Amino acid sequence: EIVLTQSPATLSLSPGERATLSCRASQSVNTYLAWYQQKPGQAPRLLIYDAVNRATGIPARFSGSGSGTDFTLTISSLEPEDFAIYYCQQRSNWPPVTFGGGTKVEIK
Amino acid sequence: EVQLLESGGDLVQPGGSLRLSCAASGFTFNSYAMSWVRQAPGKGLEWVSTISGTGVGTSYADSVKGRFTISRDNPKNTLYLHVNSLRDEDTAIYYCAKPRTTEAVTVFDSWGQGTLLTVSS
Repeated sequence: EIVLTQSPATLSLSPGERATLSCRASQSVNTYLAWYQQKPGQAPRLLIYDAVNRATGIPARFSGSGSGTDFTLTISSLEPEDFAIYYCQQRSNWPPVTFGGGTKVEIK
Repeated sequence: EVQLLESGGDLVQPGGSLRLSCAASGFTFNSYAMSWVRQAPGKGLEWVSTISGTGVGTSYADSVKGRFTISRDNPKNTLYLHVNSLRDEDTAIYYCAKPRTTEAVTVFDSWGQGTLLTVSS
């Protein structure tokens, strides 16, 4: 099973600042990595798929990078609605599909 | 517009059984594999199971293998999760999820609102 480790667990930033979230895989997942955003009481929302591709309707301030075992989700300038929990997910070697433990982006 | 509506969640005693349902609309249901993903209270996301568009192929997380069964009724555009031998740790919101494309079956771009299953005596 591929384990995904997200860091940091919590990121405290102000609106307008840049957010950099990390996801590290226990073995290569090529570029088969996705990022999701989840707000309290809501279902997850797909942001990025295949490491670098924005999903439909996702603003350009969200970008993904990386391949192999190290991935990054960057939010170039935080908007108030971006404060949420972010999960990475791999589909390179499944079953099982696995998710990272999440990074909470909170208002500083 | 894609819509996924889960139902069937309830309070169940340990060892009990239940059937969760997900009614789908807005897309050609039988063309897409479908999945269940769960989230325990205050915890992260956990993939549970995936079924192919025809219903022939299924996959399960080790934590539920042998206790949960995924199925689908394509004429009714409905996905099911039959949960048996329930344990406290199965307590979670269960989400139904549709993939972005028919090929990348585990990139989930549509999710239902979830249904809460609570296992407790």
